[in-house]
Formats: sequence, structure tokens, C-alpha cells
Amino acid sequence: AQSVSQHNHHVILSEAASLELGCNYSYGGTVNLFWYVQYPGQHLQLLLKYFSGDPLVKGIKGFEAEFIKSKFSFNLRKPSVQWSDTAEYFCAVNAGDTGRRALTFGSGTRLQVQP
Amino acid sequence: DTEVTQTPKHLVMGMTNKKSLKCEQHMGHRAMYWYKQKAKKPPELMFVYSYEKLSINESVPSRFSPECPNSSLLNLHLHALQPEDSALYLCASSRVPGAEAFFGQGTRLTVV
Repeated sequence: AQSVSQHNHHVILSEAASLELGCNYSYGGTVNLFWYVQYPGQHLQLLLKYFSGDPLVKGIKGFEAEFIKSKFSFNLRKPSVQWSDTAEYFCAVNAGDTGRRALTFGSGTRLQVQP
Repeated sequence: DTEVTQTPKHLVMGMTNKKSLKCEQHMGHRAMYWYKQKAKKPPELMFVYSYEKLSINESVPSRFSPECPNSSLLNLHLHALQPEDSALYLCASSRVPGAEAFFGQGTRLTVV
């Protein structure tokens, strides 16, 4: 079965600080990897995704993530956060082969950006 | 149209009531999902429909009954729920199983 771990539960940053949120997954086969964001009172939105190819993927709003297969990691980064990035961030994985083709979410990281 | 629309947005129901949650998408997606999200927790998968057939049931109690009348619609029928079933119920769809999922705003359910 696939599982996802997010080790940072609550992160507080000042505006313009750099961000890195950790995500590790456990699954023996091919995976598709995602980062979703949930702004207060809003629906889950896709930030970026990795299916194959270049392990450094760029998403919306200046976010990027790097897939490191040997470390089973897919960490999210942003060079300079803004107050509007305050939200809950979820890493998610689904099996890319014949396994379970539905998203399994990590526990989430609450990001608070202070002006 | 890149929206997944869920109705109602809020629902309060008694433990003896029967109600239904509805979800609609017009993106031509062939996979649809129900997730349950408790406060400050990640979404937990309940059901997956793939090409209008139930493909995953995550051992959800029978008081939750999904239905997929056609490729655009997904229902969740509720009966004899418990207060601990109070949560945000999210519907999602993807082009095919395994592709990126688009989520609706959710139905906030309170069982009294």
C-alpha cells in the first residue's frame, strides 16, 4: 500500500523567506506525485504534479518541487514566500502502474506567513 | 469549464434522516471520487468510480451509499449517520484514474 509522510506540521515564516516542505512516500512501484494547496475556506487546488521526465517540476505561483527517486522524496520549494501563501499544503501520491489509482494524502503542513 | 460542483454546501441532518450529496463535472472526466475530510486532517478516500463502475470502496460503512448515474454525476446517499460522521465531504474527478484530480468545494455535513 502507498503512504505519504509530511514531517513539517506547522511552519511559520516571514515574507520573502525561502520555503521547503518535506514529503516522503512509500510505494514499491511507479508513482505519480502531487502537491495540493488548500487556502482558508477554499477547495483543494493543484500546485504541481510529477508523472515522469524532468524530476524538477514547476507549478503555479512560483512553486517548484524536486522528485528524488533514491530518497523517495518530493519536496516543495519556493524561493520567496508571500503573505498570500498562508494555507495548508498536502503532498499526495497515487500508483502510476496497476496499483491503486487514487490519491493518498500526507497529513498536511500548515504554512503561516507573517507580513 | 474546469469546475467540480457540489451541492449542498452545508447540510445538517438528524441521525434518522436520509439525505444525498451531489457532485457534477462537465470536463469529460471518467474517474470520480468521494473523500472525507475532518478538521485539520487530510482528505481520506471513501469511494472511486472508474468509467461509471465502482472500483474502490475503502471499507466505508454501509450507511454511506455511492451512486454514479452517468459519467458527469456522482451521488452519495446518507442514511442513519452518526455524529462522528460530521465532516467535509469532497468530490473530485480526473480525466482517467491516476491523472490529477480536480476537487469541488465540498459539503460540510453536521449530524445531530
